[in-house]
Amino acid sequence: GENVEQHPSTLSVQEGDSAVIKCTYSDSASNYFPWYKQELGKRPQLIIDIRSNVGEKKDQRIAVTLNKTAKHFSLHITETQPEDSAVYFCAATPPVDKIIFGKGTRLHILP
Amino acid sequence: DVKVTQSSRYLVKRTGEKVFLECVQDMDHENMFWYRQDPGLGLRLIYFSYDVKMKEKGDIPEGYSVSREKKERFSLILESASTNQTSMYLCASSQRRPFNEQFFGPGTRLTVL
Repeated sequence: GENVEQHPSTLSVQEGDSAVIKCTYSDSASNYFPWYKQELGKRPQLIIDIRSNVGEKKDQRIAVTLNKTAKHFSLHITETQPEDSAVYFCAATPPVDKIIFGKGTRLHILP
Repeated sequence: DVKVTQSSRYLVKRTGEKVFLECVQDMDHENMFWYRQDPGLGLRLIYFSYDVKMKEKGDIPEGYSVSREKKERFSLILESASTNQTSMYLCASSQRRPFNEQFFGPGTRLTVL
């Protein structure tokens, strides 16, 4: 079945620097790749997503890139701020009505 | 505003008890999901449902069952709670593909003593 690998599991960056989280997926039929952010004590919420007919999408300080050939997608956060500290989950959607999540990356923004 | 609610934020039960966790969504979503979240293991799918009275096993269905009698409500049942079921349980709902962003409930932290 579909599998999503996410790296790193923990990431610490200085405030103002960039953060990159990488994911790979196994099912080449996957066509929708959302990213969720879960702040401490709160529910996961969608922050950005990309569909397989697009290579890159940007929303202010966050961007996602997709390489369908390599089955690889990444989340980029620029100019990191304290409120970016959270757990981030990547996900892939195979041709069924469910989402396969990666195991998550805990991002720490250091002052 | 999409609302997914769960019946309890915190629950403490004893080993062997039958436990019901309820989830309600108000956006007429077809799909509903139950996950458990444990440190380092991410979100693991227990069961999901794509229609009333329909259910599909996820990755870790053992020890759990579900019920979906109405479109807006999806219940998770622990037939005989065990200590290894102590966890955070998250419910989610979504429309059918391709617009299947998942909306999560606030979670229920279940402790089994």
